Amino acid sequence: AQKVTQAQTEISVVEKEDVTLDCVYETRDTTYYLFWYKQPPSGELVFLIRRNSFDEQNEISGRYSWNFQKSTSSFNFTITASQVVDSAVYFCALSSTGGGNKLTFGTGTQLKVEL
Amino acid sequence: DTAVSQTPKYLVTQMGNDKSIKCEQNLGHDTMYWYKQDSKKFLKIMFSYNNKELIINETVPNRFSPKSPDKAHLNLHINSLELGDSAVYFCASSLRDYGYTFGSGTRLTVV
Repeated sequence: AQKVTQAQTEISVVEKEDVTLDCVYETRDTTYYLFWYKQPPSGELVFLIRRNSFDEQNEISGRYSWNFQKSTSSFNFTITASQVVDSAVYFCALSSTGGGNKLTFGTGTQLKVEL
Repeated sequence: DTAVSQTPKYLVTQMGNDKSIKCEQNLGHDTMYWYKQDSKKFLKIMFSYNNKELIINETVPNRFSPKSPDKAHLNLHINSLELGDSAVYFCASSLRDYGYTFGSGTRLTVV
């Protein structure tokens, strides 16, 4: 069975602070994919990143960075110098062929960035 | 051109009614999905179809019936709507697991 845990239900930060959103996953498959999605107040699901299980290199995209560690089954997401527009619910998700290629989502982390 | 489009965006209906939500993708993807997001924002798979064939059917009441007339369409029909069906329903598509594209969601409110 697949499982994604996002232990942080809600995080509040002041603008320009750095913030890390945690994601821990469970799967028996050796080939799998990890994702992060952003859901702003408008409700749509915005794709942020996809990472396969064989690529443990960290990734940086502007103010966003991701730290994938297979040893701890974690795929954490850091926003540097947060902005009010980053306020959203962020979902970590997992898919694998063994799971029927469906996305298994974590429960999401509500990020609030205040002035 | 919207990649994954679902209609309607909002749906308010009375208990006991039957309603449908339509979804179309123009990405050439081979798999389509329905996800349900409840009031606590939890997202869960309901169904998936690959090339018009049902491959995932999670523990969803029989009142929910997906229909895929072709690879580009996956509709969701709901019979005898109940209050607990109120949620946001997202359609999505993928080409194997290379990436998932979501529609903008349908907010269903049962009164």
